[in-house]
Amino acid sequence: DQQVKQNSPSLSVQEGRISILNCDYTNSMFDYFLWYKKYPAEGPTFLISISSIKDKNEDGRFTVFLNKSAKHLSLHIVPSQPGDSAVYFCAASTTISSGSARQLTFGSGTQLTVLP
Amino acid sequence: DTAVSQTPKYLVTQMGNDKSIKCEQNLGHDTMYWYKQDSKKFLKIMFSYNNKELIINETVPNRFSPKSPDKAHLNLHINSLELGDSAVYFCASSQGFSGGVDEQFFGPGTRLTVL
Repeated sequence: DQQVKQNSPSLSVQEGRISILNCDYTNSMFDYFLWYKKYPAEGPTFLISISSIKDKNEDGRFTVFLNKSAKHLSLHIVPSQPGDSAVYFCAASTTISSGSARQLTFGSGTQLTVLP
Repeated sequence: DTAVSQTPKYLVTQMGNDKSIKCEQNLGHDTMYWYKQDSKKFLKIMFSYNNKELIINETVPNRFSPKSPDKAHLNLHINSLELGDSAVYFCASSQGFSGGVDEQFFGPGTRLTVL
């Protein structure tokens, strides 16, 4: 069962406009949510995170919104730039059963293409 | 000055062979991970080690055996390779801090192709 879902495999946006990437989750035990960005032939790189006790976190052009009641989060990129073209993964974090570490559960990613 | 490195980047091999993928991190992190990215693009956790101790072991065939000689290295050995093992394998590391977000840093991936 997919505990983290990204239902849009791809998204195209014009340069300068807003990009909105969506993510849904099912497990109420997730207490942090992260967005990773991945370029071809590279590993994912951390972009931004949000705690489950917050509803918004902003870092420059990137803002993550969390709607805990709907189990939904979104990443907004404003303004979008061609260099933002990449695959964006949503990930949800929880502690493992021993409490000694954390585990990430990833969505399947959304390919963002920003058109010049 | 690569933070998390993996070798090799590409691995092409025949069914039934045994192969290893090496991972090293120079971030001083205590925790390392192996993920498999399958054909549906999901990144799925396979194993995690904290200070050389196995702490996460998902449902993975026992043909896969992680080995951590020290906390900066986590290697993945795969016996009797099967066609379904073809995937991209990512190594990652983190501080292993359970009280916060504990961002993970990923290596560039190893694309394994089993013929």
